[in-house]
Order: sequence, then structure tokens, then C-alpha cells
Amino acid sequence: KAGVTQTPRYLIKTRGQQVTLSCSPISGHRSVSWYQQTPGQGLQFLFEYFSETQRNKGNFPGRFSGRQFSNSRSEMNVSTLELGDSALYLCASSLQGRAEETQYFGPGTRLLVL
Amino acid sequence: TQLLEQSPQFLSIQEGENLTVYCNSSSVFSSLQWYRQEPGEGPVLLVTVVTGGEVKKLKRLTFQFGDARKDSSLHITAAQPGDTGLYLCAGGDDGTASKLTFGTGTRLQVTL
Repeated sequence: KAGVTQTPRYLIKTRGQQVTLSCSPISGHRSVSWYQQTPGQGLQFLFEYFSETQRNKGNFPGRFSGRQFSNSRSEMNVSTLELGDSALYLCASSLQGRAEETQYFGPGTRLLVL
Repeated sequence: TQLLEQSPQFLSIQEGENLTVYCNSSSVFSSLQWYRQEPGEGPVLLVTVVTGGEVKKLKRLTFQFGDARKDSSLHITAAQPGDTGLYLCAGGDDGTASKLTFGTGTRLQVTL
């Protein structure tokens, strides 16, 4: 079956703009999580959505938001972009987000903020 | 804030050598996962350990979870070029698969 897909794969924006990233989970998976990966901070958890509701949230400012649709596809939005938002944004899906389940990561969206 | 420190940060070895990567924390985790990430791709899960003292083997890879569930190690025997990549440990602390705390990463390069 198809893996987790993320679009777009690459994105260049300027400071102050906003951006929306998309994630399509593996068919049947209802939990979608988002992570930010940077050379300095590594992989950091942003938030998790399950059944269209945000279930967990990491320590990121309110400029970072997300949502999940009824088909489990998820979008992540970053408003008022800053240079430090340049990163690889990864999404991961699992069946229900339980500890014993495997999370499958997508290839990521690489965002560059100029 | 929970932190997971990995060591070493970088490792360059020749094919056939053995290596160990360490993942340490001052916090207790309910589970510990190891991932490998290759350039241009997302991390891929290698193993999950949940019991203190647990040892799991995956072909040439051996994973161990510390007795106190604060640390873990990954040992690779007879490394091959295909083992090259970024190795990440990740701790889970609230019974979910999603809210993981990732380690700082170990970049491994295996040359012929």
C-alpha cells in the first residue's frame, strides 16, 4: 500500500509570509503527527491529530497550527514566517497513535525562509 | 523538558567494524524507539523496546533498553555501507506512539 505522502516536497518563502503543508497518511491510519527537524534542534514534536481533533501538542508558538480532515489528511500552517522556521517538516501516521503501533514517516517538506 | 543525548554525534568506520551508539537521558521513558533516516527521506522505525533490561536483535543490530528505562544502546556488528545513515533514538512517555522525544542523532558513515 502507498506510504505517507507530503506535498509540496520543497518550498521557498520570505519572512512574514504564511505557508500550508499537506500530509496524506497511509490508508486506514487515523493518527497524524507533525515534527520539525533542524540541524540545531533535531526532531521536535509539533502536534498530533486524531479523528479531526488535536490530541497532543508540543512546545511551539501559536504561529504553528494544523487541522485534520474527515479522510484523515492533515494540513499544517505556519503564519508570519521567521528565518528560524527553515526546516524539514515531517509528518507521521499510525493506526490510532497507540504506543505499541509503528509510526510511518513521510519524506518531509523542506521549507526555506529567506 | 526531557532530553535524549546521543553519542557519538558522528562516526566514520570501515566495513566490517563493530560500533555502539548510546542514547542517554535523566528521564524515565515508557518506551524507546530507534530509527534510521537516510538523506531525502523520513525516519524509518528499526525497533521498539518497552521493558527495562530488554534486549532485541535485528540481524546484525542489537538494541538494549537500560534497567531504569533511562538509556539505550544500539550495537551494529560487522557494519556494511548500507548501514550508513542518521540513527535516532526516541522516547515515549505517555502511552502514545505520537508524542516522541527524539535524541540528538548519530550520523554513521560506513566506507568500503
